Amino acid sequence: GNSVTQMEGPVTLSEEAFLTINCTYTATGYPSLFWYVQYPGEGLQLLLKATKADDKGSNKGFEATYRKETTSFHLEKGSVQVSDSAVYFCALRKETSGSRLTFGEGTQLTVNP
Amino acid sequence: DGGITQSPKYLFRKEGQNVTLSCEQNLNHDAMYWYRQDPGQGLRLIYYSQIVNDFQKGDIAEGYSVSREKKESFPLTVTSAQKNPTAFYLCASSGDRAFNQPQHFGDGTRLSIL
Repeated sequence: GNSVTQMEGPVTLSEEAFLTINCTYTATGYPSLFWYVQYPGEGLQLLLKATKADDKGSNKGFEATYRKETTSFHLEKGSVQVSDSAVYFCALRKETSGSRLTFGEGTQLTVNP
Repeated sequence: DGGITQSPKYLFRKEGQNVTLSCEQNLNHDAMYWYRQDPGQGLRLIYYSQIVNDFQKGDIAEGYSVSREKKESFPLTVTSAQKNPTAFYLCASSGDRAFNQPQHFGDGTRLSIL
């Protein structure tokens, strides 16, 4: 079946540090891939998405590239801010699974000033 | 603004009691979903509905029930059969069945046992 594996957290960085959160997936075919962010006490917000191999999703300084050869969708940001502190979820959606999303377990990011 | 509204934000349940969580959307989305989130864990799908008057079980449907009588509403009932209901519940919707469309989430309801 489909699955998503994220790097274990929590991740703690200093402001302006470089961020990478790893995400790999297992699925046949060509799923769509998403990154969501959850701020404390809130629901999830879509951060970025990619729908085919080699697509790069980007938003608010975050980027992720859909790598079919390594089945990965790693999230990166060149310079994090305290306001980026949140939980980040990687997710996939396949055309054959209807509208269902499969989520990773989430990675807690804390950015210190 | 269009969005998803979940209510209440906090809910307390007594032993043996059923409680209903509300989810309303004004995005004109066909599909709606309920997820459960436990501390330090990802989201697990409880139920979902792709069209009015139809819904399917997700991965952890036992002890829960739903209805989809209107396009904009998808209430979740946590029944007394759910022995460990304490969790954060998230409702979501998506615009169509295209697999590259994202889901939009509400702000969640936190359910606790008294």
